[in-house]
Amino acid sequence: DVQLVESGGGFVKPGGSLRLSCAPSGFTFSAAWMSWVRQAPGKGLEWVGRIKSTADGETTDYAAPVRGRFTISRDDSTKVLYLQMDSLTIEDTARYYCTLLTGYYVANWGRGTLVTVSS
Amino acid sequence: QSALTQPASVSGSPGQSITISCTGSTGDVGNYDYVSWYQQHPGQAPKLIIYDVSDRPSGISDRFSGSKSGNTASLTISGLRAEDEADYYCSSYAGTMRMFGGGTKLTV
Repeated sequence: DVQLVESGGGFVKPGGSLRLSCAPSGFTFSAAWMSWVRQAPGKGLEWVGRIKSTADGETTDYAAPVRGRFTISRDDSTKVLYLQMDSLTIEDTARYYCTLLTGYYVANWGRGTLVTVSS
Repeated sequence: QSALTQPASVSGSPGQSITISCTGSTGDVGNYDYVSWYQQHPGQAPKLIIYDVSDRPSGISDRFSGSKSGNTASLTISGLRAEDEADYYCSSYAGTMRMFGGGTKLTV
């Protein structure tokens, strides 16, 4: 079975940085397109960004609110997906989900890790 | 890009059918047959229930069905059950990005 386990969430002050990790299992990570989706407390889902497989160039794309501040990367040798978040603002407070893309949809979700940005 | 538009809430009685709409634009829903739907119960991660407009993943009840007309996609749940009470989100491919709807709270 596909499993996605996020870690790295926590409290951070505005302007700070945080790096989230995602440990995948149950599928061939190196061939997978992965993405991050977030959900602010009591709010809806918001697309953060996507990284293609290494074979497809590891191309990344980001939603406008995080472009230039967030960076998605992957390490196929250790099977880890990352989300580097810099210049964090209060509006970035959310649960961040690691997701597996299949075709044009999110096939699997992790349980998420909570990021709280507060002074 | 704005989120896709969904009604904030819908309700129905057990056994009835309900439909949730998801309105986008020619840049997303209207241009691609890549609409998906997710069910989220409180405190849980979302779960895929419909992909590519009308396909169901293995294990998803055929009470869930999807369709699309122009810039609007729809999710229909027939034979409502108490366990269907949840939040439902639509999503559409939009070129390099994916868009989500604001979510619809279904009360049974």
